[in-house]
Amino acid sequence: DGGITQSPKYLFRKEGQNVTLSCEQNLNHDAMYWYRQDPGQGLRLIYYSQIVNDFQKGDIAEGYSVSREKKESFPLTVTSAQKNPTAFYLCASSHNRLAGRNEQYFGPGTRLTVT
Amino acid sequence: AQKVTQAQTEISVVEKEDVTLDCVYETRDTTYYLFWYKQPPSGELVFLIRRNSFDEQNEISGRYSWNFQKSTSSFNFTITASQVVDSAVYFCALSAQGAQKLVFGQGTRLTINP
Repeated sequence: DGGITQSPKYLFRKEGQNVTLSCEQNLNHDAMYWYRQDPGQGLRLIYYSQIVNDFQKGDIAEGYSVSREKKESFPLTVTSAQKNPTAFYLCASSHNRLAGRNEQYFGPGTRLTVT
Repeated sequence: AQKVTQAQTEISVVEKEDVTLDCVYETRDTTYYLFWYKQPPSGELVFLIRRNSFDEQNEISGRYSWNFQKSTSSFNFTITASQVVDSAVYFCALSAQGAQKLVFGQGTRLTINP
């Protein structure tokens, strides 16, 4: 089945440690995105990538880093510089044609807890 | 700047009631797209509908219907004869033509009680 996978579903880390969240898609989508969701809030864009080897900062990129070495994969690293990393992280992808028009498809999310 | 407002933070109704979720948006773009997503307790956002700014025709899909009115910058979502499985957080979102970015509202938590 085509879709987006994120692993793991739950992740626990100690403060000061970097952690990498996985996102893989087999939808043949060019564009991929990372969002952060905090309780009772909407989604905020962290980073997005329209094509392999290229990515742009979203609204809240500080303390995060990404890479896009393969079309299917867009891992997100939460660094120790991120002041409040505990959140629910969602990965999404979409076609790149007619940007803006295309709906995004989401993965199941990773709930990160940092103590 | 673009903005989406979902003023209803939480709604609770009894099964079989009709319920409308409000969405008001702001944009200076003449061509834009509006979306509704459903987030069930599992967490994954599920795409429900996309509407183009130049198409104000209302849409119905089973028990779901959407009312798009450019004059009031609103894109409201109605569930008819609600069911417990409709319980979720619903998000309205906006993107401009050529933009890669979706702007989300804060979401409305809908609880359908048996």
